[in-house]
Amino acid sequence: DAGVIQSPRHEVTEMGQEVTLRCKPISGHDYLFWYRQTMMRGLELLIYFNNNVPIDDSGMPEDRFSAKMPNASFSTLKIQPSEPRDSAVYFCASRDVASGSSDTQYFGPGTRLTVL
Amino acid sequence: DQQVKQNSPSLSVQEGRISILNCDYTNSMFDYFLWYKKYPAEGPTFLISISSIKDKNEDGRFTVFLNKSAKHLSLHIVPSQPGDSAVYFCAATMGGYQKVTFGIGTKLQVIP
Repeated sequence: DAGVIQSPRHEVTEMGQEVTLRCKPISGHDYLFWYRQTMMRGLELLIYFNNNVPIDDSGMPEDRFSAKMPNASFSTLKIQPSEPRDSAVYFCASRDVASGSSDTQYFGPGTRLTVL
Repeated sequence: DQQVKQNSPSLSVQEGRISILNCDYTNSMFDYFLWYKKYPAEGPTFLISISSIKDKNEDGRFTVFLNKSAKHLSLHIVPSQPGDSAVYFCAATMGGYQKVTFGIGTKLQVIP
């Protein structure tokens, strides 16, 4: 399996622009997570889905952030409008809970977002 | 409010010596703990975990110790190797709950 795939790997945009980050989880995994990593706060969970349904979005910082999972193989995290303080590395992770075969999340390589 | 705290942002150790990474938590409901390792430009990868019913778990050169009364866990790497140089994240969760809380990470440098 190719692992969790994220695109783009790097994104540079200007304040006020819309940003869309994309994630393809590992096939067969029933949970998908979006995290943000910053120096000050480390890895923060933003939102997670179970079978494409959002379960907990309490970590989403503001209404400017939204996430969708239209099907089992694709998810997006959108920031509109973006601000410089949104600059961070955003990770997507997936996990296979239903089969009981693993107790860990598998992370993608991340998207480094820079908002100027 | 950081429920999982890694108070040492960085650590340098000589190759062959022991590396000890520490982690404290505040939420007494946490009952499962994990360590992840992260190399630059890559996502974190799972390293080792421990359930609250145990006080030690070992996997090769890596051992995690849990002290529930002190709400403290530590990761020991023996012997340390240059390839262990990475950022290590401590994480915690509650049984049956998918939300994992991470610390801010400790950057380990193993000097050849």
